[in-house]
Amino acid sequence: AQSVTQLDSHVSVSEGTPVLLRCNYSSSYSPSLFWYVQHPNKGLQLLLKYTSAATLVKGINGFEAEFKKSETSFHLTKPSAHMSDAAEYFCVVCDRNSGGYQKVTFGTGTKLQVIP
Amino acid sequence: NAGVTQTPKFRVLKTGQSMTLLCAQDMNHEYMYWYRQDPGMGLRLIHYSVGEGTTAKGEVPDGYNVSRLKKQNFLLGLESAAPSQTSVYFCASSYSDRLAAKNIQYFGAGTRLSVL
Repeated sequence: AQSVTQLDSHVSVSEGTPVLLRCNYSSSYSPSLFWYVQHPNKGLQLLLKYTSAATLVKGINGFEAEFKKSETSFHLTKPSAHMSDAAEYFCVVCDRNSGGYQKVTFGTGTKLQVIP
Repeated sequence: NAGVTQTPKFRVLKTGQSMTLLCAQDMNHEYMYWYRQDPGMGLRLIHYSVGEGTTAKGEVPDGYNVSRLKKQNFLLGLESAAPSQTSVYFCASSYSDRLAAKNIQYFGAGTRLSVL
């Protein structure tokens, strides 16, 4: 069965300090993994994706994530938080279901608060 | 290029009323999805479609119906709305999964639905 676990529902950091949002997944096959960001009252925007190429993936706005198969993790990081990073972040795993079709599972989200 | 467009953006219904949410995409995507987003639960898949004329149940399909008569449109219907269907609804589309790098889902801005 496919699942995604975002280990923290809320993360609070000071502006200018590093950000770490944790995500663990389980999948029967070789999944694609994504991070999406959702600002208040907005839709979801893709931050970055992993699709079996380089394990360190760089995304928009200075975010990056590292795929670690041995740890089944895909944690999102940013060296220095900015006030505009305050949003909710979703980790997503995409795989095939038993019928061969794309199956997408969202994590429950992590709300990032950035303190001035 | 409009991407994914959802209409309406807001709606208030009384219990028992019916309505249809419309999702339109102009990217020639094969796959389309309807999700609902509730606090603390992330996004949950209601129904999805892997091509024109086909639909399938997702994680929480009860109380909803869908149709994909045209490739670019994916309709979500509530035949008899219930307060438990108060939520934010997101539509998304993507290429088929034959090319893993194309599995990015593009989201609409959402529809806020309140059922009284």
